[in-house]
Amino acid sequence: GQNIDQPTEMTATEGAIVQINCTYQTSGFNGLFWYQQHAGEAPTFLSYNVLDGLEEKGRFSSFLSRSKGYSYLLLKELQMKDSASYLCAVRSSSGTYKYIFGTGTRLKVLA
Amino acid sequence: DGGITQSPKYLFRKEGQNVTLSCEQNLNHDAMYWYRQDPGQGLRLIYYSQIVNDFQKGDIAEGYSVSREKKESFPLTVTSAQKNPTAFYLCASSTRTGGIQPQHFGDGTRLSIL
Repeated sequence: GQNIDQPTEMTATEGAIVQINCTYQTSGFNGLFWYQQHAGEAPTFLSYNVLDGLEEKGRFSSFLSRSKGYSYLLLKELQMKDSASYLCAVRSSSGTYKYIFGTGTRLKVLA
Repeated sequence: DGGITQSPKYLFRKEGQNVTLSCEQNLNHDAMYWYRQDPGQGLRLIYYSQIVNDFQKGDIAEGYSVSREKKESFPLTVTSAQKNPTAFYLCASSTRTGGIQPQHFGDGTRLSIL
């Protein structure tokens, strides 16, 4: 089967660093994507990894280990506006452009 | 500006009625997708299409139908067979060229039962 697991909720303090983990088991792998979704809005793209290692984009970084089926999203210098759900998604294989989403991690940033 | 337009933003369905959600993109993307999101949940794939005149069922296709007659358009019909249609529906698109590319999403349609 295909499965993506993320923690349901996390809480962190403004200015802190938070790491959101994602583990996956999919038939084929062609990239892992992170999206941010504010309540009632569409997801917006944050970062993606295809090869193992760390990708950094400003306050956001994403890490991938394909052998472990594991990724994390690191958010630094947290701001109140970072309170949102963070979705992990895997594109299953290069032949089929199908993305499998996790249930999302709801992050609350406290003052 | 290129993007994905979904309409309407809010839609109400009566018992036994079919309703159609519109999705149009001007990004020249080959692949288009429909997802359903229930409160506090992730995205579940309803249907997807990789090229014009072709589409595949996703994980929860029962009670839904789609068409892909034009590259730009991928409408979703929620039929009366879908007994629990109340949800947030998201349309997305992605390219098949230029390496790995993320999906782009429309602003969504919120469907409720009257």
